[in-house]
Amino acid sequence: TQLLEQSPQFLSIQEGENLTVYCNSSSVFSSLQWYRQEPGEGPVLLVTVVTGGEVKKLKRLTFQFGDARKDSSLHITAAQPGDTGLYLCAGPLGTASKLTFGTGTRLQVTL
Amino acid sequence: DAEITQSPRHKITETGRQVTLACHQTWNHNNMFWYRQDLGHGLRLIHYSYGVQDTNKGEVSDGYSVSRSNTEDLPLTLESAASSQTSVYFCASSRLAGGHAAYNEQFFGPGTRLTVL
Repeated sequence: TQLLEQSPQFLSIQEGENLTVYCNSSSVFSSLQWYRQEPGEGPVLLVTVVTGGEVKKLKRLTFQFGDARKDSSLHITAAQPGDTGLYLCAGPLGTASKLTFGTGTRLQVTL
Repeated sequence: DAEITQSPRHKITETGRQVTLACHQTWNHNNMFWYRQDLGHGLRLIHYSYGVQDTNKGEVSDGYSVSRSNTEDLPLTLESAASSQTSVYFCASSRLAGGHAAYNEQFFGPGTRLTVL
């Protein structure tokens, strides 16, 4: 059973469209991270959100941490082909340094 | 520049053979992790280490082992490869041993694609 469920699993959109992907859990997390993975490479950290209700912006990407710290969302404005990849959310297991990862959302942005 | 490397990048082996995947990091990180990635499952933790001589089982550790004799390396061994172990394997490292996990970014290697026939 995955602690973190992501939706949708797959998303194919055209350049210029907006989109939102979700990361949900029944458990409370002290923080959540978002990673992006491009084909043939390992995941790379995009952002960490640590406070309930927090919103962080990274250029066209907006990340939000739910008030109850059980969910997070990633919104991309005016998607570009370079945004194509697998988006993974991850949260720490207790106070340990290990993470549990979500199931991932595979995004394809076409011209 | 510091980095984390994995070798080989691709490996084909036969059922029953022992296979070792290498992971080497020059970040001088205490924490190292091995994951497998399969469609529909995201990343699942196999084994992890918080320092030299420390190893711990993750959620999918059956059939795998690791050893940590120095800070830089955490090789993953498949004792007797099975077709169910066909997957892409990722090694990762992070700086903190405990502390505030909010700042515990994991740095990933490029992955090893393993096929067990």
